Amino acid sequence: DVKVTQSSRYLVKRTGEKVFLECVQDMDHENMFWYRQDPGLGLRLIYFSYDVKMKEKGDIPEGYSVSREKKERFSLILESASTNQTSMYLCASTDLWGGDPRYTSGGELFFGEGSRLTVL
Amino acid sequence: GESVGLHLPTLSVQEGDNSIINCAYSNSASDYFIWYKQESGKGPQFIIDIRSNMDKRQGQRVTVLLNKTVKHLSLQIAATQPGDSAVYFCAENPPPPKTAGNKLTFGGGTRVLVKP
Repeated sequence: DVKVTQSSRYLVKRTGEKVFLECVQDMDHENMFWYRQDPGLGLRLIYFSYDVKMKEKGDIPEGYSVSREKKERFSLILESASTNQTSMYLCASTDLWGGDPRYTSGGELFFGEGSRLTVL
Repeated sequence: GESVGLHLPTLSVQEGDNSIINCAYSNSASDYFIWYKQESGKGPQFIIDIRSNMDKRQGQRVTVLLNKTVKHLSLQIAATQPGDSAVYFCAENPPPPKTAGNKLTFGGGTRVLVKP
C-alpha cells in the first residue's frame, strides 16, 4: 500500500514561531503537494513539487515556503506563524500523470492523515 | 451540492437509500475528475475518477456522472451504509503545461450523514 506519512498529527505554536511540517512518501512518486483544509473551503493548494528541488506555487502560497531535497520528502515551512494559519494541513503525492502516458493529466492523489496546526 | 464558504452542505440519508452528491466544476477545459471521501480524523481517500471522454463510470456501489454541457459532476452511492458517513469532495484537473504535473482543484465538500 502507498503510504504518505506526516510527522506531526497535532501541533500548537505561538505567533511568530517557525514551523516545519514534514511529509514522506514511500512510492517513489514524482509529484508531491501541500494543501490546507478549512471548513467549507475544501482543500486549497499551497505549493507543489514535480521533482527534487523543483517547486511551484499553488493558489495560496503567501506565508509559506517548501523544501524538496529528496524525492520522498516534502517539507512545508511557516517562517513566522500567524493565527490565520491555524488549519489542517494535508500532504499528498502521485506519480506523473497517473502513470498513463496517453493522458496529460490525471491520477489519484494519495493523502497523509493530516497535521492540525493551532497558532496561538 | 458543493459550495464555497464557511458552511458545509449536509446530506442526510436513511441507511439503505441511495445518495446523490452534486458538484459544479469551474473549468470547461478540465479533462479529469475525481471524487474523494474523507472520514473524521483521516486524510481524503480516492473513491472513483472519470475522464472527460466519458459521461458515466461505475465502481463498487458508486457511480460518477459527468455532464460537460453544464459542467456538473455527481456521485451516486447505492444502498448507503453507516460507513459512508463522511465528507465528500469533488476535484477537477485542468490540462496542464507539462511542468505543472497533476494539480487538482477541489470543491468545498459535502457532508453525508447516514441515519440508521
